[in-house]
Amino acid sequence: DGGITQSPKYLFRKEGQNVTLSCEQNLNHDAMYWYRQDPGQGLRLIYYSQIVNDFQKGDIAEGYSVSREKKESFPLTVTSAQKNPTAFYLCASHPKTDTGELFFGEGSRLTVL
Amino acid sequence: GDSVTQMEGPVTLSEEAFLTINCTYTATGYPSLFWYVQYPGEGLQLLLKATKADDKGSNKGFEATYRKETTSFHLEKGSVQVSDSAVYFCALYLYDMRFGAGTRLTVKP
Repeated sequence: DGGITQSPKYLFRKEGQNVTLSCEQNLNHDAMYWYRQDPGQGLRLIYYSQIVNDFQKGDIAEGYSVSREKKESFPLTVTSAQKNPTAFYLCASHPKTDTGELFFGEGSRLTVL
Repeated sequence: GDSVTQMEGPVTLSEEAFLTINCTYTATGYPSLFWYVQYPGEGLQLLLKATKADDKGSNKGFEATYRKETTSFHLEKGSVQVSDSAVYFCALYLYDMRFGAGTRLTVKP
């Protein structure tokens, strides 16, 4: 079945360590997004990519990095520079021709110990 | 930048009550507008959308009208059910998808 797969579902990290969250989609979608969801703050945009080898910063990109080497993959690295990384991270995508609906992965919960 | 502001919750209603969740937007152009819903333990899913001024989106008894003059897209339902308990997010798309903070709705029997 087509969909978006995020992994891992749960991740624990020590302070000072970088961690990479995986996002893979087999929907043939052009655009992919990373959001951070915190209680009471909704979804805040970290990075997005409309095409391969191109991406743009969202509102809270500091301390994060991404790559888009393949259409189906958009990994997010949470670096040690991110001051408050404990959060729920959501990946989403939509086709270029229809921006009407974002398809979401199940999310990854990162906890920094 | 482009942004969405929605009414803060939580909102608690009795079954069959009328629901309104306010949403206003700020955008440099003419965005498409959306309502997404997140049921307990589930991922976000699209509830309804409108792509131009005066369009009305509707689904599952929910409605929202794209009002350019007031830059609003308020969500309404005439008679809520317990199964409508969820978090509702207003969102806009111009160059990327931006979400509001979410409004938690609890419907009591």
